[in-house]
Amino acid sequence: EVQLLESGGGLVQPGGSLRLSCAASGFTFSSYAMGWARQAPGKGLEWVSTISGSGGNTYYADSVKGRFTISRDNSKNTLSLQMSSLRAEDTAVYHCAKVASPGGYGAMDVWGQGTTVTVSS
Amino acid sequence: DIVMTQSPDSLAVSLGERATINCKSSRSVLYDSNNKNYLAWYQQNPGHPPKLLIYWASTRESGVPDRFSGSGSGTDFTLTISSLQAEDVAVYYCQQYYSIPFTFGPGTKVDIK
Repeated sequence: EVQLLESGGGLVQPGGSLRLSCAASGFTFSSYAMGWARQAPGKGLEWVSTISGSGGNTYYADSVKGRFTISRDNSKNTLSLQMSSLRAEDTAVYHCAKVASPGGYGAMDVWGQGTTVTVSS
Repeated sequence: DIVMTQSPDSLAVSLGERATINCKSSRSVLYDSNNKNYLAWYQQNPGHPPKLLIYWASTRESGVPDRFSGSGSGTDFTLTISSLQAEDVAVYYCQQYYSIPFTFGPGTKVDIK
């Protein structure tokens, strides 16, 4: 069974940093791109970032570019999102998702339950 | 950026009746070289992560009931639930994965009338 389990969320002050992780199982991790999407309280979905299966290509939403860094460790089947210079508007549930292609241009076919990030003083 | 819009914002349909959700992209998401529309539909129940229903605009994900169907091409797309069931109450999102950023529509809430 394909599973994604996020961790690392929490309460952080504005300007602070946080690192999210996503542990993947049940599929050949390196064969698929992976991504992050978020959902602010009571709002819709927002795509955040995607990384190709090899890790060689990364893509970001303008709202997080320069502040967030996506990475993956294919030896450990783990996806990460390093978030810095956090703002109140980054408050959301962050989902990791498997992308149905190696390059990144595909639907998000499996989603994790999500981890909550709250940016507040 | 490609802007995705959805209509209606919400709809209420009687059990067993048809529900239709529209999605429009500000630019075509049809890739000419492979004739594929880079468009997906997701279902999200409260407190749960999104679930992929349809990809390439009209291909049903494995395990998704056949009452869900997707259609359209270029800039105009439709998700149809042919016979609404109680478990279909949810918010439905379209998403384009044609170009970065991979934008989602604002969502359509489906309820029982």
